[in-house]
Formats: sequence, structure tokens, C-alpha cells
Amino acid sequence: SYELTQPPSVSVSPGQTARITCSGDALPKQYAYWYQQKPGQAPILVMYKDSERPSGIPERFSGSSSGTTVTLTISGVQPEDEADYYCQSTDSSGTYWMFGGGTKLTVL
Amino acid sequence: QVQLVESGGGVVQPGRSLRLSCAASRFTFRSYGMHWVRQAPGKGLEWVAIIWYDGSNKYYADSVKGRFTISRDNSKNTLYLQMNSLRAEDTAVYYCARDNRGEGMDVWGQGTTVTVSS
Repeated sequence: SYELTQPPSVSVSPGQTARITCSGDALPKQYAYWYQQKPGQAPILVMYKDSERPSGIPERFSGSSSGTTVTLTISGVQPEDEADYYCQSTDSSGTYWMFGGGTKLTVL
Repeated sequence: QVQLVESGGGVVQPGRSLRLSCAASRFTFRSYGMHWVRQAPGKGLEWVAIIWYDGSNKYYADSVKGRFTISRDNSKNTLYLQMNSLRAEDTAVYYCARDNRGEGMDVWGQGTTVTVSS
């Protein structure tokens, strides 16, 4: 079955750049989306269509795509960015949605 | 502001059924596809199902196919998830989310908790 693969954890110091990757065979053909989830809260969309930022999301969040890997980059990480981040996409047919396993971002 | 409110969660025995509801407000519900997404305790997000804006298409995760049914009543601005033959592994917080026409799941409810236990 199709999967999206993320690193379980990423750690950075405040002010540094965090990069969270997501790999999947269908990503060259299907857009990726990114969600931030803090403990006890519902997820929030932070990136859509690989690199588009929803209104209200800080400019330090950006996205990129290269082949079978998409990347969420957080420049100048703030303590409030500490959260779980999930990528999401569909299979090549566009009829099966899925999430990556999630990456816990720790701000040291 | 735009809002989704889930209800219907609770404790249920294995093999029994439960129906979740998701009430939408302050947006044109009938114009958007809707998802159910769940999260088991301490685990990641798992997509469950989607229904097209008009109910014409429905797709399910393999883990729930044949047991769960997604539906909607656009006259009541409400999304449903009928869950039959429940298993312990269905224990999770269930979220409904709006599909913003290819621009991601941009609105989420607060979730409702389902516990399957004898």
C-alpha cells in the first residue's frame, strides 16, 4: 500500500531553520499538504499545494517539492512552533488520502 | 467564524454501532467536500473517509471499508459517519474537516472521542 514517510523527530534551537521531509512515490504527481498539531488541539493547515501558505500562517513557513520528496521549512524557528507536523497527500489515482506518520518538532 | 462541531462519541462495546455527526456553520456547507480523520491515543492522524460536496462520490480507508459509511444532509448542514462492527482499534478521536477544493483540509472540528471496549 502507498505510504508517506516522515522522520519521527527533528530538533532545532530557536532562530535556526527546521526542515521536515516527506517522501512518497506519488508526490511527483500529487500535491502535498502540511498540518501542525499541538497537544490536545485539532490540526491546522500550514501549507497547501506543496508551497502555498494559507492566510494567517507566518511567512517563516515555506514548502518545496523535488521528485518524490516534499519539504516543510520553518525559518527562524520560534518556541511556539514546537508541535507535531503531518504531511498529507493522495495516491496516484487521487481517490485515497493519507497522512505521513508525523514529525515531532522540538525547539531546544 | 467558520465552525465544525462533532458529536456522538462515547464508549461502545466491540461489534456494536455508533453514528457520529458534524454540524457545520458560517459557510456554504453544500459547496465543500468533507472528510473524517481519526487519531488513536498517542498515534498519528489517519484519514478515514471523504464525501463529495453533493454526496456523489465517497471514498474510504482500507481499515474501515465495508464497516463505516460517510453521508451528509446538505439541508441540515450536517456530516455523518455511521460506524458498524466496531473494533478496539477504532478507538480514537474523530475529527471532521472541510476539503477546500484541493487547497487542503482547511477547517477542523474539535473532535469527538470514540472508545471501543467491553
